[in-house]
Amino acid sequence: QVQLVESGGGVVQPGGSRRLSCSASGVSFSTYGMHWVRQAPGKGLEWVASIRYDGSSKYSADSVKGRFTISRDNSNNTLHLQMNSLRPEDTAVYYCAKGHRPYYDRSYFDYWGQGTLVTVSS
Amino acid sequence: DIQMTQSPSSLSASIGDRVTITCQANQDISHHLNWYQQKTGKAPKVLIYDASNLEPGVPSRFSGGGSGTDFSFTINNLQPEDIATYYCQQSDDLPPTFGGGTKVEIK
Repeated sequence: QVQLVESGGGVVQPGGSRRLSCSASGVSFSTYGMHWVRQAPGKGLEWVASIRYDGSSKYSADSVKGRFTISRDNSNNTLHLQMNSLRPEDTAVYYCAKGHRPYYDRSYFDYWGQGTLVTVSS
Repeated sequence: DIQMTQSPSSLSASIGDRVTITCQANQDISHHLNWYQQKTGKAPKVLIYDASNLEPGVPSRFSGGGSGTDFSFTINNLQPEDIATYYCQQSDDLPPTFGGGTKVEIK
């Protein structure tokens, strides 16, 4: 079955960087768009970034544009989120999620990882 | 960006009740509306996709409807395991956007 496992969370100082990874198994990874969604403590879900199945297009929320970069390594079934210039308001659980429809940017998220907590604090 | 307005933000109901949540988009999103359930400390799980389609394995007491800008999500015969926060999400256009969530509690 499909499994998504995030890693890389932890405590980071404001202005610092962190790289999150999401390892996928049980799925033809290179066929699907992948996404990052975050959830600040006690808050709702916020989409962060998406990447096309082949990596040819990337999209990111205005709140992270210019600071966060989504990427993927289809040979290793891994999704990444490089986070730079981190701010306290970036503190959240970060989930990776798989798009349902193959080769399609716009789709619902049918599988989610367990999430990894990033805390931005001095 | 498409804005999603979900209501109510919380509700309390009894076991066996019917619960309805609404979600409104600020522009036409056709049927591209999805509903997720999130239990405390867990990742979200899709229940309904494309407004009214039940994700495989999801109990039939969950249902959804609507099109265009107005959508609804219903839990028939509320069960204790349905305690969670529910979110709508549009997948009609990028960026995907979520409603603010509805926390469902047992009375």
